[in-house]
Amino acid sequence: EIVLTQSPGTLSLSPGERATLSCRASQSVSSSYLAWYQQKPGQAPRLLIYGASSRATGIPDRFSGSGSGTDFTLTISRLEPEDFAVYYCQQYGRAFGGGTKVEI
Amino acid sequence: EVQLVESGGGLVQPGGSLRLSCAASGFIFGTYWMSWVRQAPGKGLEWVANINQDGSEKYYVDSVKGRCTISRDNADNSLYLQMSSLRAEDTAVYYCTRGRAYSNGYFDYWGQGTLVTVSS
Repeated sequence: EIVLTQSPGTLSLSPGERATLSCRASQSVSSSYLAWYQQKPGQAPRLLIYGASSRATGIPDRFSGSGSGTDFTLTISRLEPEDFAVYYCQQYGRAFGGGTKVEI
Repeated sequence: EVQLVESGGGLVQPGGSLRLSCAASGFIFGTYWMSWVRQAPGKGLEWVANINQDGSEKYYVDSVKGRCTISRDNADNSLYLQMSSLRAEDTAVYYCTRGRAYSNGYFDYWGQGTLVTVSS
């Protein structure tokens, strides 16, 4: 079973800054079967990225994903106020990482 | 418009049982993998179980194996999670999620969740 470890646990940034979130897998994730989700308080998660680097429908282009094998990254190029949330990575159909909270 | 609406949550005593339901609409339900994901209060997301389009494949997280059964009724566009021998650590919001057509994958639609509280 693949374990996903996200870092850092919390990222404290200001609007307009760049956010870089890491997701490391305990074994290689085949065919980049990795997704990223955003969750705001009191809401269900929302799909951001699939296939490690493809943006889901309606996701702004300030969100980008990269990586392969065991190391994956979610980058938010310039933080907007609505981007402060918790972000999770996930191996397709299976376990999630522990999450990274992006706070102001 | 894709919609997933969960129901069936509530307060249950330790050792009790509960059946969660998810009513799906806005897509061809019988062609998609479906899953349950839960989130304990103040904690992260935990994948619980998923099922393929015709119900012939089912997978579970180790912590619920033998206590939970995922099922679906394609004629009724419904997904279910039967939970038994419930424990305090099963307390969580349970989300119904849509996977991909004909393959396991990312979850592109989520319901709003139903809260299960296991307490005496």
